[in-house]
Amino acid sequence: AQRVTQPEKLLSVFKGAPVELKCNYSYSGSPELFWYVQYSRQRLQLLLRHISRESIKGFTADLNKGETSFHLKKPFAQEEDSAMYYCALIWYGQNFVFGPGTRLSVLP
Amino acid sequence: GAGVSQSPRYKVAKRGQDVALRCDPISGHVSLFWYQQALGQGPEFLTYFQNEAQLDKSGLPSDRFFAERPEGSVSTLKIQRTQQEDSAVYLCASSLVAVQGAYYEQYFGPGTRLTVT
Repeated sequence: AQRVTQPEKLLSVFKGAPVELKCNYSYSGSPELFWYVQYSRQRLQLLLRHISRESIKGFTADLNKGETSFHLKKPFAQEEDSAMYYCALIWYGQNFVFGPGTRLSVLP
Repeated sequence: GAGVSQSPRYKVAKRGQDVALRCDPISGHVSLFWYQQALGQGPEFLTYFQNEAQLDKSGLPSDRFFAERPEGSVSTLKIQRTQQEDSAVYLCASSLVAVQGAYYEQYFGPGTRLTVT
């Protein structure tokens, strides 16, 4: 079965430090990968998707098919980045599979 | 514009009661999804509609769970004879369309937190 793993439940970094949220998936085909974010008291929202290859709020994510990873990175974390981050995948004709989430806490 | 809305936002039910959770998608969105999110977990897919047709209900955990979208707009998720393990946040999402080979962004509602006592 398709799976998404996020090994860290909680990640704490200081403001201005680099941050990397890890995501690995198990799927033999070519899924589409996403990062969703949920800020405190807000609804789940799309942060970025791998096919658009965008940088959103300073975050980037590169799909590594060899390592089946889609890690989320930001060179300089800000306090407003504190939130729950979910990695998710979808493959053709199917629906989302979400990872368990990583809570990012950016300390002042 | 108005986003996806869900009601009620909070529901407490006694074990064995039936509950109905409502989702109002964004106007014009063809696809509608239901997810269950247990405490400390990511959302898990329950079921998916395209217009009024329920195209996938593989994620519904038991036959106590039933979803409908009779006019292709508002959807209701019904849980019969609730059990404690049904306690979770139920999320609804809508998108323009989801067809094989193409995907559009899902917009999520705020969720309904169901607590079964």
